[in-house]
Amino acid sequence: TQLLEQSPQFLSIQEGENLTVYCNSSSVFSSLQWYRQEPGEGPVLLVTVVTGGEVKKLKRLTFQFGDARKDSSLHITAAQPGDTGLYLCAGMDTGRRALTFGSGTRLQVQP
Amino acid sequence: KAGVTQTPRYLIKTRGQQVTLSCSPISGHRSVSWYQQTPGQGLQFLFEYFSETQRNKGNFPGRFSGRQFSNSRSEMNVSTLELGDSALYLCASSRVRTDTQYFGPGTRLTVL
Repeated sequence: TQLLEQSPQFLSIQEGENLTVYCNSSSVFSSLQWYRQEPGEGPVLLVTVVTGGEVKKLKRLTFQFGDARKDSSLHITAAQPGDTGLYLCAGMDTGRRALTFGSGTRLQVQP
Repeated sequence: KAGVTQTPRYLIKTRGQQVTLSCSPISGHRSVSWYQQTPGQGLQFLFEYFSETQRNKGNFPGRFSGRQFSNSRSEMNVSTLELGDSALYLCASSRVRTDTQYFGPGTRLTVL
């Protein structure tokens, strides 16, 4: 069974601060996806990273896939209250065609 | 392009009843996956369908079943409901041979 450890579980920061969320596993994934989820809604895709060492930027968000495709990070620069939400990483197990999810990081950005 | 749609959005059932949830994937997406989300266990994979065939199944009891129709729409069924089945049930669709999955808004099932 593949596991994804996500940290930190909770993060409360002030507007303008930077933060990084980590996802780590002992297993290799064919890709890693990041989602953001609002209460009572489905996860919304932020990015998919596929290649080891890949870095993708989405405005103030920077996503990195580890060289060995076992870990990933999400860095947010100058966080804003609109960034508040639950961030989820998910690794694709190609053999099972199933996503393994991390436990999530609940981010609160105070104005 | 319309996103993944799920109906109903909310359901309240009692123990022992059965329930059917529906999912319509994004147009052109032929793979549909189902996940269960609970506060204690997070998001867990239920099963995946492609071309009307279940290709993979997660570690859930046989009370959880599903099917896919020729138009790629999918349904999942839970029989003999238990209190622990209360959860947000999420459907996701993807294109053939791609990893990216797009999720619907979910169906919130409450079992009393």
